Amino acid sequence: GENVEQHPSTLSVQEGDSAVIKCTYSDSASNYFPWYKQELGKGPQLIIDIRSNVGEKKDQRIAVTLNKTAKHFSLHITETQPEDSAVYFCAASRANNLFFGTGTRLTVIP
Amino acid sequence: DTGVSQNPRHKITKRGQNVTFRCDPISEHNRLYWYRQTLGQGPEFLTYFQNEAQLEKSRLLSDRFSAERPKGSFSTLEIQRTEQGDSAMYLCASSPRMEAFFGQGTRLTVV
Repeated sequence: GENVEQHPSTLSVQEGDSAVIKCTYSDSASNYFPWYKQELGKGPQLIIDIRSNVGEKKDQRIAVTLNKTAKHFSLHITETQPEDSAVYFCAASRANNLFFGTGTRLTVIP
Repeated sequence: DTGVSQNPRHKITKRGQNVTFRCDPISEHNRLYWYRQTLGQGPEFLTYFQNEAQLEKSRLLSDRFSAERPKGSFSTLEIQRTEQGDSAMYLCASSPRMEAFFGQGTRLTVV
């Protein structure tokens, strides 16, 4: 099955700085890569996704890049704000379920 | 609120008891998923429905677990003879195609 690895497990940045979270996947057939933000006591919230026929996607301060050859994808958050503090999960899918990474706890320091 | 709704939000049960959780997906989403999440981990896939048909089940879903989605609308997840290892957050998600939208989850504590 698919194996998704995510780094770093924790990340602290100053408000206004950028944050980058990286994931690798093992199944070359995976073709859909979403990112989720999860706040304490809540379910994961889809924040951005990318399909395998696209190399980069941007939505305001959030961007995701995908390198199919190397089987890795990254989340970039620019101009971070305290409300960006949460746990972020990457995931990979090729069919009917999502395989998640172990999460990155992002702390934005005011 | 037209998002995915899960009930109850919290459940405390004694070991050996049966529990049932309910998920109401976003209307018109034909795909419905159940995941389990333990502390410090990402969600783990349990099972998947397309309309009323249960098309895939994880090996994590032991024979004590059963899920249904009658009429292709809401879904229930039942755990029989609960064990302490069943303590986790149980998440439901629905999807029109590939994007999955999660509910707030049901936190189960088995004492």
